[in-house]
Amino acid sequence: GENVEQHPSTLSVQEGDSAVIKCTYSDSASNYFPWYKQELGKRPQLIIDIRSNVGEKKDQRIAVTLNKTAKHFSLHITETQPEDSAVYFCAASRGGSYIPTFGRGTSLIVHP
Amino acid sequence: KAGVTQTPRYLIKTRGQQVTLSCSPISGHRSVSWYQQTPGQGLQFLFEYFSETQRNKGNFPGRFSGRQFSNSRSEMNVSTLELGDSALYLCASSLIGRQGADTQYFGPGTRLTVL
Repeated sequence: GENVEQHPSTLSVQEGDSAVIKCTYSDSASNYFPWYKQELGKRPQLIIDIRSNVGEKKDQRIAVTLNKTAKHFSLHITETQPEDSAVYFCAASRGGSYIPTFGRGTSLIVHP
Repeated sequence: KAGVTQTPRYLIKTRGQQVTLSCSPISGHRSVSWYQQTPGQGLQFLFEYFSETQRNKGNFPGRFSGRQFSNSRSEMNVSTLELGDSALYLCASSLIGRQGADTQYFGPGTRLTVL
């Protein structure tokens, strides 16, 4: 089955810095890669996603890149703010009857 | 559309008891997945239901079971509760369209505490 590795497990940055979280996946048939943000005590919420026919997608300060050949994808957050502090999960999915496989999460801490 | 809802939001039980959690998916969504989340363990997949059938199952003991009704609402049951079952239980629903994979949308979770 699919295996998703996520790094780092903890990331500490200063406000205004950029943050990058990386994930690798094993199943070359995976074609959908969402990222979720989970604030303390709240549900995971989708913040951005990318499908395998696209190499990069941006939404304001957030971007995701996908390298299908190397089977890795990354989340980039620019100009970080304290409210970006949360746990971020990546996932890989191939659709149909297959459920997504989640990474173990990255705790992002943005210091004011 | 209303989001995924879960009831109850909080539960306190004692060892040996059983518990039933409920999840109502987004209208039109046919797949419901359940996850257990504990500190430092990420999202542990329990099972997925689609059209009232369990379609995928994670690596949890038989004490954890579930079902899905014809309106796509789902319940999960944990019998003979153990202290280690204390966790946040999240359900997620997705549309299951014909092309590609669908986004999972999470409910707020049920916080279960076993004393």
